[in-house]
Amino acid sequence: EAGVAQSPRYKIIEKRQSVAFWCNPISGHATLYWYQQILGQGPKLLIQFQNNGVVDDSQLPKDRFSAERLKGVDSTLKIQPAKLEDSAVYLCASSSSTSGTRVRFFGPGTRLTVL
Amino acid sequence: GQNIDQPTEMTATEGAIVQINCTYQTSGFNGLFWYQQHAGEAPTFLSYNVLDGLEEKGRFSSFLSRSKGYSYLLLKELQMKDSASYLCAVRDRYGNKLVFGAGTILRVKS
Repeated sequence: EAGVAQSPRYKIIEKRQSVAFWCNPISGHATLYWYQQILGQGPKLLIQFQNNGVVDDSQLPKDRFSAERLKGVDSTLKIQPAKLEDSAVYLCASSSSTSGTRVRFFGPGTRLTVL
Repeated sequence: GQNIDQPTEMTATEGAIVQINCTYQTSGFNGLFWYQQHAGEAPTFLSYNVLDGLEEKGRFSSFLSRSKGYSYLLLKELQMKDSASYLCAVRDRYGNKLVFGAGTILRVKS
């Protein structure tokens, strides 16, 4: 079974530029998450989708971050404009809604550096 | 809100046993997870506890005491490949939100 796929793996941009990340979850997983992990910290949830609907985006900085999951499968996360403090690893995860434990399976992440 | 505390770093010797503690204060609780994260890689699931007691899975065991807001991850017969960050995460009452601690960096020396 294929895992969570993400691209690109690395991205370097200058502040005020825009950037987009892509995620393809495990096949059949209805729930998709985007996490931000700053160096030395645990992952922080940015947004959670159930199919193509948003369940929780309370920690998403909506003035600059946006995310969509139009067909309930792939998802994109966009930052526009980027700030220096956005430098982090952006992790996508998915889980099965039929599983009681709702284990999050993570992708390899995109390491973003904002200069 | 939720607050999760773990030691920042630990060092142990190959072949030994190490215990990584996690304490939490939450407004609701619906399970505790442990993840392993090697440098530059994604977190991978290790264990899940929702009831009090010990869950054993090979060299790894995890313990939970809900009344004390306390969990630990026990790693036996340490190997060099166990050098990684270990993340404790608590799921809220409704099961939607998983809040992670900052992680404990474990260094295994020969």
